Amino acid sequence: DAGVIQSPRHEVTEMGQEVTLRCKPISGHDYLFWYRQTMMRGLELLIYFNNNVPIDDSGMPEDRFSAKMPNASFSTLKIQPSEPRDSAVYFCASRPPRAMNTEAFFGQGTRLTVV
Amino acid sequence: GNSVTQMEGPVTLSEEAFLTINCTYTATGYPSLFWYVQYPGEGLQLLLKATKADDKGSNKGFEATYRKETTSFHLEKGSVQVSDSAVYFCALTDLRDDKIIFGKGTRLHILP
Repeated sequence: DAGVIQSPRHEVTEMGQEVTLRCKPISGHDYLFWYRQTMMRGLELLIYFNNNVPIDDSGMPEDRFSAKMPNASFSTLKIQPSEPRDSAVYFCASRPPRAMNTEAFFGQGTRLTVV
Repeated sequence: GNSVTQMEGPVTLSEEAFLTINCTYTATGYPSLFWYVQYPGEGLQLLLKATKADDKGSNKGFEATYRKETTSFHLEKGSVQVSDSAVYFCALTDLRDDKIIFGKGTRLHILP
């Protein structure tokens, strides 16, 4: 397996524009997590899915943020409209079933810059 | 609830020095414990893990022992290299919880 794949790796956009980040989890993993990392706040969990269903979105900062997982192999995180304070590195991670009590696997991240 | 506390950084050491990064945890069940490493510009990757008490995880010269009596999982390396400069995260999972609980991360700088 190629691991967790995120795209794009880098995104620069203007304030007010819509941004869509994409993630392909590892096949067979039934958990998918979206994280945001900044110098000020560190690593924050935004939302996670189990079997394509959103379980906890309490970390989503505002209604401008939304996430979907239409099938087991694809998820998106959308910001509309984007603001400069959304600039961060966004990570996607996937994990096998909970019963395995094992680690999560991270993608390389998308570095978002909103100007 | 479950939590992880790790020493704050940054930690600056000279090459070949001995490294310890402290990590303690709180968990109601029987957690698995992990150390992740994040090199500059990259995602988090698993460095080592331990799934039960007294297990020792090891990789790339790093070691950590799962100590249930002290609820600790300290990361150690006998002789660090410049290439070990990175951010290190302690983490745990629990069969009762979907989430992975991360510490805040410790930035390590190794000077040549």
